[in-house]
Amino acid sequence: QVQLQQSGPGLVQPSQTLSLTCDVSGDSVSSNSVAWDWIRQSPLRGLEWLGRTYYRSKWFYDYAPSVTSRITISPDTFKNQISLQLNSVTPEDTAVYYCVREGWGMDVWGQGTTVIVSS
Amino acid sequence: QAVVTQEPSLTVSPGGTVTLTCGSSTGAVTSGHHPHWFQQKPGQAPRTVIYDTVNIHSWTPAHFSGSLIGGKAALTLSSAQPDDEADYFCLLSYSGAWVFGGGTKLTVL
Repeated sequence: QVQLQQSGPGLVQPSQTLSLTCDVSGDSVSSNSVAWDWIRQSPLRGLEWLGRTYYRSKWFYDYAPSVTSRITISPDTFKNQISLQLNSVTPEDTAVYYCVREGWGMDVWGQGTTVIVSS
Repeated sequence: QAVVTQEPSLTVSPGGTVTLTCGSSTGAVTSGHHPHWFQQKPGQAPRTVIYDTVNIHSWTPAHFSGSLIGGKAALTLSSAQPDDEADYFCLLSYSGAWVFGGGTKLTVL
């Protein structure tokens, strides 16, 4: 059974970097048949896809245009985890962040992490 | 960036049939957009009920089905149940980037 366990701070100061980690169990982040996505949800912006990474003989990355200048998604094959970094955050980045496996659809979701951007 | 449109709200009677739709600002929705449908209940993460237009998961209620109708992706609930009351979101792919719709609040009443 695939499980995604998210971790990271729930409060980030404006202009700082939001960093979250997603520990994957029951699957490999290097699998050739899935991708690993980050999605967020807020009352202001609804559900928003942020980006993904996937391995097909090499690593590929896709990012949403709205965050492409600020986002980095990184795989760690030794720890079997996926991380998210979002730079220069503002209060508009306040949301619940989800790590998601894109296998048979977006079939496995992490528990969600509420991140508040505030001083 | 493309805009994905959904009905803001719909109401269906128990036992009735309702179709939710998902349109694209770029034109007709096709199988190439790999339409997904999610159900979300209060306090829970979204859950995929349909992916790649028509595919279901083991947890997808048997009376849910996906299709393309009139240039849009569609989610049809036949014989709606009170437990189907939830928010429903669609998701479309645009050359490697995904875009969510604003969601439909479905009331079973």
